[in-house]
Amino acid sequence: DTAVSQTPKYLVTQMGNDKSIKCEQNLGHDTMYWYKQDSKKFLKIMFSYNNKELIINETVPNRFSPKSPDKAHLNLHINSLELGDSAVYFCASRPTGGGNEQFFGPGTRLTVL
Amino acid sequence: DAKTTQPNSMESNEEEPVHLPCNHSTISGTDYIHWYRQLPSQGPEYVIHGLTSNVNNRMASLAIAEDRKSSTLILHRATLRDAAVYYCILRARAWSNQGGKLIFGQGTELSVKP
Repeated sequence: DTAVSQTPKYLVTQMGNDKSIKCEQNLGHDTMYWYKQDSKKFLKIMFSYNNKELIINETVPNRFSPKSPDKAHLNLHINSLELGDSAVYFCASRPTGGGNEQFFGPGTRLTVL
Repeated sequence: DAKTTQPNSMESNEEEPVHLPCNHSTISGTDYIHWYRQLPSQGPEYVIHGLTSNVNNRMASLAIAEDRKSSTLILHRATLRDAAVYYCILRARAWSNQGGKLIFGQGTELSVKP
């Protein structure tokens, strides 16, 4: 059973389009994250949600809108895609009560043409 | 945000121990030292973490300097599967306003030769 899953694995789209990436975790965790890994391989946090509430927003452009319909899901919607949005996006979750280990999904490679 | 400094790359031979260093001179008293690794085309994977004392688990050992300004991840017997980018991360307490976020540096790319 996959602990943290993301769909799609690959996403190729044109500039200006709107797209969504979905993330689901079946670990019962309360906290979920989105990270972005750019072409230089730097991983940077974008958002964090705890029990469906936003707790971290790392000055990400407001074209990026995370949505957490329940604590097992954290989706990322991106409006008006730009070339610079091309990256690998990772979802992660962390156990309830401040657990130390974050569990990462396999990543979604977004390519904007 | 506290920062870490790691060598860009290291090489090891299979079956030999590997010591991956990390400097974190600006660490605060409540920062945990975490290590994650990222295998090619995969998401990061937790390896180990510690606060002050040395730590061992099934994957690795973590040696933390007495002043906490540096640490070393030790892989006791490197295998080909250990080839990855290893990230040393300082993580604020989960219940702080930092929400337990991980701040990744550039990491050390470890290659393992047969």
